[in-house]
Amino acid sequence: ETGVTQSPTHLIKTRGQQVTLRCSSQSGHNTVSWYQQALGQGPQFIFQYYREEENGRGNFPPRFSGLQFPNYSSELNVNALELDDSALYLCASSLIWRGGYTFGSGTRLTVV
Amino acid sequence: QQQVKQSPQSLIVQKGGISIINCAYENTAFDYFPWYQQFPGKGPALLIAIRPDVSEKKEGRFTISFNKSAKQFSLHIMDSQPGDSATYFCAASVQLWEGGSEKLVFGKGTKLTVNP
Repeated sequence: ETGVTQSPTHLIKTRGQQVTLRCSSQSGHNTVSWYQQALGQGPQFIFQYYREEENGRGNFPPRFSGLQFPNYSSELNVNALELDDSALYLCASSLIWRGGYTFGSGTRLTVV
Repeated sequence: QQQVKQSPQSLIVQKGGISIINCAYENTAFDYFPWYQQFPGKGPALLIAIRPDVSEKKEGRFTISFNKSAKQFSLHIMDSQPGDSATYFCAASVQLWEGGSEKLVFGKGTKLTVNP
């Protein structure tokens, strides 16, 4: 059984650019959630996808968007990058939310 | 009201000692309380979790104590080991919409150092 895989592991972007982060869910999981973890902070919920549709959203602006594909993999897209977007972006998958997420190791995004 | 407050921010314990991390919440809609362990460069890993109808749960050296009336819960690590040195997050689960799936609200984390 494979875990949650995220790519790339590290990324440096310039302010104003766009970025796409990718996530492969754990085998058998059909729900994907994305979290942003700023340095020294706990993860903050961005949004969740289930059956290829956004299932809920946290307090993040529309320039944060996502996709879920038929194979349950997912993308997080961030447009018009700002310096404060620098963080670890975590993807987490689950089958039916009652047993805990499985988190990936994250993508470290640095905006300069 | 969607916050989970965690303390202390950092904790240093001697090998063999007891590590205690505390969390408090306000939102009574929270219905699942997991603890996560995170090592540098890794994502959080589920350590142990509890539901509010249970006052204590123990798994090996890790115990969650839950006080529903006080809206507080804590993680106790018995016989702490240097390998336990990591950042620990408490979290609480709340439904995204009625009858739907849920999201986690995390505390700010506690950096635990266990000295040999």
